[in-house]
Amino acid sequence: DVKVTQSSRYLVKRTGEKVFLECVQDMDHENMFWYRQDPGLGLRLIYFSYDVKMKEKGDIPEGYSVSREKKERFSLILESASTNQTSMYLCASSPGDRAHHFGDGTRLSIL
Amino acid sequence: GQQVMQIPQYQHVQEGEDFTTYCNSSTTLSNIQWYKQRPGGHPVFLIQLVKSGEVKKQKRLTFQFGEAKKNSSLHITATQTTDVGTYFCAGAGSYQLTFGKGTKLSVIP
Repeated sequence: DVKVTQSSRYLVKRTGEKVFLECVQDMDHENMFWYRQDPGLGLRLIYFSYDVKMKEKGDIPEGYSVSREKKERFSLILESASTNQTSMYLCASSPGDRAHHFGDGTRLSIL
Repeated sequence: GQQVMQIPQYQHVQEGEDFTTYCNSSTTLSNIQWYKQRPGGHPVFLIQLVKSGEVKKQKRLTFQFGEAKKNSSLHITATQTTDVGTYFCAGAGSYQLTFGKGTKLSVIP
């Protein structure tokens, strides 16, 4: 079974802090994604990566950056956290254009 | 960019009634995927449709992909309380998926 592991289930940070969300997958998938999920807005794509060291902006990249130094790991970075980045963050991986396998999510609160 | 519209946003049904959610894309899709998210959980892949006019069944769930590959539907026959959750469609582009906003299904026992 594919396993996508997100480093934290719940996280509380302060405005202005630099925040790192980590995601690791164990199935050698080429593609990895970061989404945020907010009530009434569904899943919105922040960034994705289709190869090591490659990254592409999604629909809402502002205020975020990503890092993919190894195939299995995809990190999301909030450069200077703001209250409007309070959300559920979901990481996913997939082989090609096939099914996304999601992690359990990180519920991030910015105070 | 690609947009995927999904309706309805909410649906409340009595247990045993049928349920349908619909997806429409602004562009032709290479494939469409369906996911289910239980309350407090993460989206879980249900199925992928690739061919024009394709129909697939999983027990009480029937998935259809339109002839023009721009729309899709999920139909649940005789809903059960275990069907509760949010159902998302997602249209596939080059590397990424564009998700609909989902239909939240409530089943009244």
